[in-house]
Amino acid sequence: EPEVTQTPSHQVTQMGQEVILRCVPISNHLYFYWYRQILGQKVEFLVSFYNNEISEKSEIFDDQFSVERPDGSNFTLKIRSTKLEDSAMYFCASSERDRNQPQHFGDGTRLSIL
Amino acid sequence: GQSLEQPSEVTAVEGAIVQINCTYQTSGFYGLSWYQQHDGGAPTFLSYNALDGLEETGRFSSFLSRSDSYGYLLLQELQMKDSASYFCAVSGSSGNTGKLIFGQGTTLQVKP
Repeated sequence: EPEVTQTPSHQVTQMGQEVILRCVPISNHLYFYWYRQILGQKVEFLVSFYNNEISEKSEIFDDQFSVERPDGSNFTLKIRSTKLEDSAMYFCASSERDRNQPQHFGDGTRLSIL
Repeated sequence: GQSLEQPSEVTAVEGAIVQINCTYQTSGFYGLSWYQQHDGGAPTFLSYNALDGLEETGRFSSFLSRSDSYGYLLLQELQMKDSASYFCAVSGSSGNTGKLIFGQGTTLQVKP
């Protein structure tokens, strides 16, 4: 069964550095998302992306964050000037033709900011 | 504001039936989904309700009442592997962008 893949599985970075989290969505999916989950808390929406542009972003997704689909397969989340509070699990998800189709999540990248 | 309420913890024994409730308050609504998460891993889609009524998928069923802003997930014939966190999530809270708003999650512990 096709799946969403995320790399790296764990990223440790010094505060103030930039990180890029990578995702390969399921190949025939058209809608892409990033979520984050701080340890022990709920999953929080960051951004949705369709047709090479952001559809919606949350209040969390400020100028520190950006997303890109650099080619036909990858979907990246860049976090600039990382802060301690950016430490979380970041999940990429994708869904098929309809925005209300089930979202398939990757295994996540655990980001640890030191 | 937008919020989803679900119990924080539920405990049940193997073979039993358990119901996890979810009430929501959002500015828009297309549907209610349920996701399972084991040990902080990938949330896995279980069920989706856009219309009132019951959706059944094997041992799992989900119910929605739009007029009551309420839904539940029903797990039957519980197995030890069902021990996990279960999240309800609303789509359509702010237009049709696919954004999901998740509840805080319910930790289900299944005991022998």
